[in-house]
Amino acid sequence: AQTVTQSQPEMSVQEAETVTLSCTYDTSESDYYLFWYKQPPSRQMILVIRQEAYKQQNATENRFSVNFQKAAKSFSLKISDSQLGDAAMYFCAYRSQGYSGGGADGLTFGKGTHLIIQP
Amino acid sequence: DGGITQSPKYLFRKEGQNVTLSCEQNLNHDAMYWYRQDPGQGLRLIYYSQIVNDFQKGDIAEGYSVSREKKESFPLTVTSAQKNPTAFYLCASSLLARGNSPLHFGNGTRLTVT
Repeated sequence: AQTVTQSQPEMSVQEAETVTLSCTYDTSESDYYLFWYKQPPSRQMILVIRQEAYKQQNATENRFSVNFQKAAKSFSLKISDSQLGDAAMYFCAYRSQGYSGGGADGLTFGKGTHLIIQP
Repeated sequence: DGGITQSPKYLFRKEGQNVTLSCEQNLNHDAMYWYRQDPGQGLRLIYYSQIVNDFQKGDIAEGYSVSREKKESFPLTVTSAQKNPTAFYLCASSLLARGNSPLHFGNGTRLTVT
C-alpha cells in the first residue's frame, strides 16, 4: 500500500515571501499521479496542483509550483509571493494510474501541513 | 453550477442512534467517496463506489454503511457500532475511478455524537 508523509505539521512565512512544503511518498508503482490540496478554515478541499509521474517537467499554476523528484519519491510544493489567503492546511495526495485496477479507491492523503501567513 | 452537496453542515446525535449523511453530485461523475477527517489524521477513506449499485470498503469501514442506488447520490450511514463517530465527514467524486481524475469535494458534515 502507498503511504504519503508530510513531515512539517506547521509552517510559517511572512507575507510576500516564498515557502516550500515537503511531501514524500512510498510506492512500488512507476505510473501514478500526485496532488496538492488546500483546506482553508472553511474546510472546503480545493485542488491546488497536480503532477503526472511520467512527466519530467514540474507542474506550475500561477504562484504555485512543484518540485517533483521521482527517484527520491519527493513532491514538494512551492508558494511564491505568499498571500494572506494562502493560509490553510495543505494536503499532499497520491493516486495510482489504474492500469491494474489501482486508483479506484481514490487518493491516499498525507496528514497535512498547517501554513500560517504572517502579515 | 455543478458541484457536490453535503447536508446537513452540522449534525448532532445521541449515542446509540444511527445517522445518515447525505451526498449529492450533479457533475455526472462515475466515482464517489467518503472520507473521515480527524485532527492530525489527514483524510481516511471509509467507502468508495466506482459505479451505480457497487461500492467497496475503504480503510476504516467498520461501523459505517453506504448505498449507491443512483449515480448522483452516495449516502453514508454512521451506525451505533462506530465507536468514535464524532468527526468531520467529506464526500467526494471524480469523473473516472482512476488516474489523473482529481477528486472534487463537498463542504463536509460535522457530526457530533454525545
